[in-house]
Amino acid sequence: DTAVSQTPKYLVTQMGNDKSIKCEQNLGHDTMYWYKQDSKKFLKIMFSYNNKELIINETVPNRFSPKSPDKAHLNLHINSLELGDSAVYFCASSLTSGGETQYFGPGTRLLVL
Amino acid sequence: AQSVTQLGSHVSVSEGALVLLRCNYSSSVPPYLFWYVQYPNQGLQLLLKYTSAATLVKGINGFEAEFKKSETSFHLTKPSAHMSDAAEYFCAVRRGGNQFYFGTGTSLTVIP
Repeated sequence: DTAVSQTPKYLVTQMGNDKSIKCEQNLGHDTMYWYKQDSKKFLKIMFSYNNKELIINETVPNRFSPKSPDKAHLNLHINSLELGDSAVYFCASSLTSGGETQYFGPGTRLLVL
Repeated sequence: AQSVTQLGSHVSVSEGALVLLRCNYSSSVPPYLFWYVQYPNQGLQLLLKYTSAATLVKGINGFEAEFKKSETSFHLTKPSAHMSDAAEYFCAVRRGGNQFYFGTGTSLTVIP
């Protein structure tokens, strides 16, 4: 009965590869987010979607492309992975885009070699 | 711009001692403030939030935080630390709409 789930939990890959991370929420929320947490635990928002529409797009390389097939899913595709992309990526959701409590997934630990 | 600053990236307390984790915010309007906890290898979990109602906010696991406008602070406290409280704690502010900005985190160690 996980509220916000992410797959995979761990991802180890080579530089230059393309990879995707999937996120699903079963809370009936309208808004979903992707965050990146670096090695110093700094957490920064990357994207936010509300009802499948992009509403926040922070300064992120265009190698990162989010896709929301429906409001319960928000996937993150990363092209041409670089060493600096190594981090923990968290998906989150909130009831609406009005800033209520965000519920976080368990994270995807990405290591680029 | 609205942001939060967490003083002290590492805090150690003895089991049973008071826990005090500091958070100061900068905001031009009354903010919405949050404390999240992150246990090892897990996602963030909401501890409590301030949304301009009562200034003393009680959260889960015995934590509470007091919003002090005069000091622009929202410090997190717990009267008696438990070993299970060892985790990373993040203060966050909501900036317009649904943009959340997180502090750099405070790692809490509880010494038996």
